[in-house]
Amino acid sequence: LAKTTQPISMDSYEGQEVNITCSHNNIATNDYITWYQQFPSQGPRFIIQGYKTKVTNEVASLFIPADRKSSTLSLPRVSLSDTAVYYCLVGNTGGFKTIFGAGTRLFVKA
Amino acid sequence: DAGVTQSPTHLIKTRGQQVTLRCSPKSGHDTVSWYQQALGQGPQFIFQYYEEEERQRGNFPDRFSGHQFPNYSSELNVNALLLGDSALYLCASSLLDRGLMGELFFGEGSRLTVL
Repeated sequence: LAKTTQPISMDSYEGQEVNITCSHNNIATNDYITWYQQFPSQGPRFIIQGYKTKVTNEVASLFIPADRKSSTLSLPRVSLSDTAVYYCLVGNTGGFKTIFGAGTRLFVKA
Repeated sequence: DAGVTQSPTHLIKTRGQQVTLRCSPKSGHDTVSWYQQALGQGPQFIFQYYEEEERQRGNFPDRFSGHQFPNYSSELNVNALLLGDSALYLCASSLLDRGLMGELFFGEGSRLTVL
């Protein structure tokens, strides 16, 4: 399983775009990259998943360069309610032993 | 469509006691994974069940055991509780798909406090 490295914390202001980068230097050919969001005392929630290039959904975009050794989660125009911990995960089997790292604590200020 | 449900939501035990936590997966899901999350840390993988069998296990002692029933629901049992077992226990369900890292759906968790 590929190890991931993320910043421990980030600060932002409402309305700004936030980019959280995750490093995964030993990602395997058939690994996918997945991001989860977690609020205090709740279970993590799936945000977005991708394999290469760019993926966009209604809440976020995921940018993956050609070498796939890193990925960037982009949250457009964050609000106070986006204050949470964001986890980057790398793996290739349906939920099989999915490993979470320490995550990035995002603080959105008014 | 009900999501993942866990019970109880909160419970308090004393050292040496045993606890059973329960999880009902999202409708249509066949795989259940259990995680332990200590305060301020990321979820730590305990084990995963599929077809009523433990498929993979994380770095947890044998005091942690589980079971999956024919209806895909699952239980997590912890024996001889230690103070360090105090944590939020999360259940996640998914569809087994060997070709894709399937989305995990988490419950709200069971908060265990060991005194």
